[in-house]
Amino acid sequence: GQNIDQPTEMTATEGAIVQINCTYQTSGFNGLFWYQQHAGEAPTFLSYNVLDGLEEKGRFSSFLSRSKGYSYLLLKELQMKDSASYLCASVDSNYQLIWGAGTKLIIKP
Amino acid sequence: IAGITQAPTSQILAAGRRMTLRCTQDMRHNAMYWYRQDLGLGLRLIHYSNTAGTTGKGEVPDGYSVSRANTDDFPLTLASAVPSQTSVYFCASSEASGVADTQYFGPGTRLTVL
Repeated sequence: GQNIDQPTEMTATEGAIVQINCTYQTSGFNGLFWYQQHAGEAPTFLSYNVLDGLEEKGRFSSFLSRSKGYSYLLLKELQMKDSASYLCASVDSNYQLIWGAGTKLIIKP
Repeated sequence: IAGITQAPTSQILAAGRRMTLRCTQDMRHNAMYWYRQDLGLGLRLIHYSNTAGTTGKGEVPDGYSVSRANTDDFPLTLASAVPSQTSVYFCASSEASGVADTQYFGPGTRLTVL
């Protein structure tokens, strides 16, 4: 079967670093997306990884290990506006996205 | 401003009624998608279209139908709404299909079926 797991909720402090993990099992694998979704809004693209390793993009970085079926999103220098849900999505053999339920990140001052 | 629009923003509907959710994109993207998002669950694909004139079934297609008469529009129809179709519906598009392409989402339609 196909399965994406990520924590339901995380809490972090403004200015700190937080790592949001995602494990996946999908039929075939053609990469992994991370999206950000503020409450009541649409998901917006953050990153895409298809090769092993770390991709850095400003305060946000995303890591992939294909052999472990594992990815994480790293957010540095947290700001209050980073309070949102973070969605992990694996691309299966048909190039369809299989979505996790999302991790709600709460930032405290 | 380029992007995807959806209408209506929200709707309360009596069970058994027919409803069409509208989706229009002006990015000339080939592929379009309809998802539903329910609390505690990931986005689930209802139907998709790889290009104008073609459609396909996603993970949860029952009770829904779509059409893709042109590149820009991708309406989703609920023939006879049921309470389990209460959800937030997102339309999305991507430039290409058959590759891992970034999907861009509309603002969503919040549908309540009573």
